[in-house]
This record gives sequence, structure tokens and C-alpha cells, in this order.
Amino acid sequence: QSALTQPRSVSGSPGQSVTISCTGTSSDVGAYTYVSWYQQHPGKAPKLVIFDVNKRPSGVPDRFSGSKSGNTASLTISGLQADDEADYYCCSFAGGYIFYVFGTGTTVTVL
Amino acid sequence: EVQLVESGGGLVQPGGSLRLSCTASGFDFNSYWMTWVRQAPGMGLEWVANINPDASDRSYVPSLKGRFTISRDNARNSLYLQINGLRDEDTAIYYCARHYNWNFDYWGQGALVTVSS
Repeated sequence: QSALTQPRSVSGSPGQSVTISCTGTSSDVGAYTYVSWYQQHPGKAPKLVIFDVNKRPSGVPDRFSGSKSGNTASLTISGLQADDEADYYCCSFAGGYIFYVFGTGTTVTVL
Repeated sequence: EVQLVESGGGLVQPGGSLRLSCTASGFDFNSYWMTWVRQAPGMGLEWVANINPDASDRSYVPSLKGRFTISRDNARNSLYLQINGLRDEDTAIYYCARHYNWNFDYWGQGALVTVSS
């Protein structure tokens, strides 16, 4: 099972919006509404920012939003802030053999 | 406050074994699925294994099944990962995480395992 495909990096100026794509297959992203996104600052543990495609955990700003179309999920960060600079990983449930597959990771840079 | 604290990492020779521990606090450990995720240096995240609350159901990423064993002790609020036949490519930070349905809502700080002679 290959990792989900994400762009290596995206960047934006403070206040702008960036969108990160996460492309899988009809066996993972396309098959389930169990796509989550994780933010990871350097040297830190990942933090859940979106679950079940488009739900935000308590405490995560509404600047973070998620969506899915077909085999591709997306994370949008609006009103970009300096602290949003981090690596972001998508993850999808993939059924009863592979179980979970993560994306390749995207580095968000705030210019 | 939910806390997950991993321990047991270190330097191990190829072919050796290691048991990682994850001690949980701040929530009813007995009621949650738990998972292990690893991250090789400079690389992405890789799901390793998970276990249901009463340990009757355990799943593994196919490529690691056989060398890795996940277990738990609910009386000790602890999760474990036994790794046998360690290989260079097992060098990674190993994170334990709590399941929230099909997502991972709390993570530990990670335990570094280095496989080298």
C-alpha cells in the first residue's frame, strides 16, 4: 500500500489561504469518510487538526477546514499565521487489511 | 488532562529486541483503542499497529506483522510494543496515540529507537 500523495511544500503570506491536497485511491480516501489531518511542528508530536474529512477538534481554530472529492481530500488554512508553519500529514482509513495509510507530508511555509 | 508518555527507546544492535511502553493518564484507558505510529528520521508518519480496549482485536501493517507485537495492561494504564529482529530500517521515533473513532486525537512525545551496530 503506497502512501497518500501530498505536495512536498506550499507557501503563503500571512493572512492568505493555502490548500493542501491528499490523493489516494478508491480503496482508501475514496472509500471512507475517515480522513484526518495532523500538524507537526519540528521536534514535536503530531496534533490532530481535522477528523472525519471536515470536523475540527475542540481548540482548533476555524481557519482550518477540510473537504473531500472522490479520491482526493484537501486541507485549507485560511488567514495564515506564523504558527501555522509546520508539516501537515493526511491519513485515511483503508479497510481491514492495510488499516491506515498516511500521506507523504507537506511543509507549509509562511513567507 | 490527557497524557501519553512513551519509554523504552534506545540504541539496539541489528537482530535485537526491544519493548516500548506508553503510560496513559487523564482518561479512561480501559475504554479506548490505542495505536502505534512511527516516523523514521526526516521521513513521514507510518501507522504500525492498534489494539482494542480488551486486547481481543489487534491489527498490524502487513509489512511488519510477525516481528511487532502490540499489547496492553489496563490495570497499569499501559500500552506496549514488542519489536523483535530489529533492522536498520526500524530506526524511528515511535509514538503512541489514542483513537478517537478512526482518528488519533492525542499523541505521546515519542520514543527514539536507533538500530545500529
